[in-house]
Amino acid sequence: GENVEQHPSTLSVQEGDSAVIKCTYSDSASNYFPWYKQELGKRPQLIIDIRSNVGEKKDQRIAVTLNKTAKHFSLHITETQPEDSAVYFCAALLSYGQNFVFGPGTRLSVLP
Amino acid sequence: DAGVTQSPTHLIKTRGQHVTLRCSPISGHKSVSWYQQVLGQGPQFIFQYYEKEERGRGNFPDRFSARQFPNYSSELNVNALLLGDSALYLCASSFKPPAEETQYFGPGTRLLVL
Repeated sequence: GENVEQHPSTLSVQEGDSAVIKCTYSDSASNYFPWYKQELGKRPQLIIDIRSNVGEKKDQRIAVTLNKTAKHFSLHITETQPEDSAVYFCAALLSYGQNFVFGPGTRLSVLP
Repeated sequence: DAGVTQSPTHLIKTRGQHVTLRCSPISGHKSVSWYQQVLGQGPQFIFQYYEKEERGRGNFPDRFSARQFPNYSSELNVNALLLGDSALYLCASSFKPPAEETQYFGPGTRLLVL
């Protein structure tokens, strides 16, 4: 079946450094890719998303890049802060069935 | 403006029982999706409803069913509970189907099956 791979599974960075999380997907017709941040015991919160008609989108310290040919997309967080520590999930919307497939998550720890 | 709400917040059941989980979408949203999130994993898609019709179904057994009401709220029912059904059940809403609109998650219902 369709799946989304996400790497790394855990990531530790020093405060102020950048963090990059990468996802690959299998459905070549997928056209919408959101990223969610989930803090312990809380709901997933949308932080940024990208549609297949653009290659990059930026919102302050957060950016997402998409390479449709290679079927991968990445989350970039610059100038990381301790409050960025959370689990981050990527997702891809399948081209059929209104079905989102989520990656397994990346646990980001920003060390002060 | 209230976000997506879910009830109950926590639930403990025993194997073989059934459970009903409820979701109220953001006011004006007509699409509701249900997800199961097992501890340490990403959410797994269960169902998606738009305008009271099922629009998508994930790879879950027939013990799982759902419906959407005229006010766009939704229920997820699970029969013959198994230990493996223990998870956080998330509801997400959007104005249109997720292919066209961003979806927003509720706080979830944490189900424990003993």
